[in-house]
Formats: sequence, structure tokens, C-alpha cells
Amino acid sequence: IAGITQAPTSQILAAGRRMTLRCTQDMRHNAMYWYRQDLGLGLRLIHYSNTAGTTGKGEVPDGYSVSRANTDDFPLTLASAVPSQTSVYFCASRTGFNSPLHFGNGTRLTVT
Amino acid sequence: AQKITQTQPGMFVQEKEAVTLDCTYDTSDPSYGLFWYKQPSSGEMIFLIYQGSYDQQNATEGRYSLNFQKARKSANLVISASQLGDSAMYFCAMREGLNNNNDMRFGAGTRLTVKP
Repeated sequence: IAGITQAPTSQILAAGRRMTLRCTQDMRHNAMYWYRQDLGLGLRLIHYSNTAGTTGKGEVPDGYSVSRANTDDFPLTLASAVPSQTSVYFCASRTGFNSPLHFGNGTRLTVT
Repeated sequence: AQKITQTQPGMFVQEKEAVTLDCTYDTSDPSYGLFWYKQPSSGEMIFLIYQGSYDQQNATEGRYSLNFQKARKSANLVISASQLGDSAMYFCAMREGLNNNNDMRFGAGTRLTVKP
């Protein structure tokens, strides 16, 4: 593993199903983030975590939950998927305030 | 209100010419950071350049430079000597404040196409 690994790469999911998107980093970054990318809207923050054991809500948190049991893992859960959650999801991490975000390669999720 | 505005949904540039991608931002925080990212068609997000609000000089990274006009709240990306590989989506982003829980907000992006 080098950097941030997201799984799965893509997924087709029936509405109403539960789904967890996985994100693992090996850089020991404290802060981690989940964004969704939609055409014409750029990237919007769903949830973030400053450090293990803490999480916070971003711009579009409804319908999503996260946990941060340790430094490396930051899973994103859709409790009951809806079609509007069809998107590309990016996990990211960073070290300090002036540091750029390091991104995973994204998960393309389609909710039918 | 939009924190980051990119007014150019699409831009075209001739190979080897320079191009400017616009970005304006909105903040009342005196301490903030501005970032530009590139997203090629393969989908990964690539960090290009950073400008801090207290930096006295415009940031430069190879062929990328940032035209930072603090009073106008603009942070335009300048790409010199465009190459075909520069064709991609470009996102401007801002992080406000000194607290770690301040997230990074992104603009809607500009799709740049470099013509041969």
C-alpha cells in the first residue's frame, strides 16, 4: 500500500441497500476526508476526521456516516442508499494546515 | 454562498501558448490557503500549487504559477507553454483558518483543452 487506497473501485447498488466504502492510508496522516464529486459541482465535503476517535460533518453529510477507530482507516457508510447518492467518492488525507490533500483514486458508485 | 468560484466551465488553448484559469474566493478569515488541483481523464486528483494568504510572493511550480491578488480575492492559475498533457479538469480550492477541522472547499472546476 502506498498513499491512500479506496475500495471498491466501482459499485452498482440497489436503492435501499447498505454500503460501506473503504479508505486506508499508510502515511500516518491525522486528518482524513470524504468528498463526493458531481458534474458541475466540483468536490463537496461529506465528513472529516481530524484525528483518530473524532469525526465531523461537512457540507453534505445527510445519508452518510463515518468512523475513525484508528489513524489508518476511515470508512464511509451509506445506511440506505438513494439514487441521488450516485457519484464518485474520494477519500483524502493531509498532515498540516499548509499541506495539500492526498487523494485516493476514487470509488464510482451508482445507485439504481 | 459560494466560497470558491470558477467562472470558466471550459477553456481552449493552443499548444505552447499560456493560459489563465480564473478563481475567486470569499472569506473573512485573514489566514487561509489556496490550492490548485488537476484531474486528468483518468480521474486521479493531482496537487499542483499552493498559495498562503500571508505569502508575499506569487507561488510558482515549474510551468505553473499563481496570480494572487489578495485585495480582489482572486487566485488565478497560469500555465505557461501548454502541452497536450495539460488537457484536464482544474479545481481551485481554499482552506480557511488555522484549526485542523477547517475543511477544504472546492470550486466547480474548469475543463482545459489543449489543441495541437
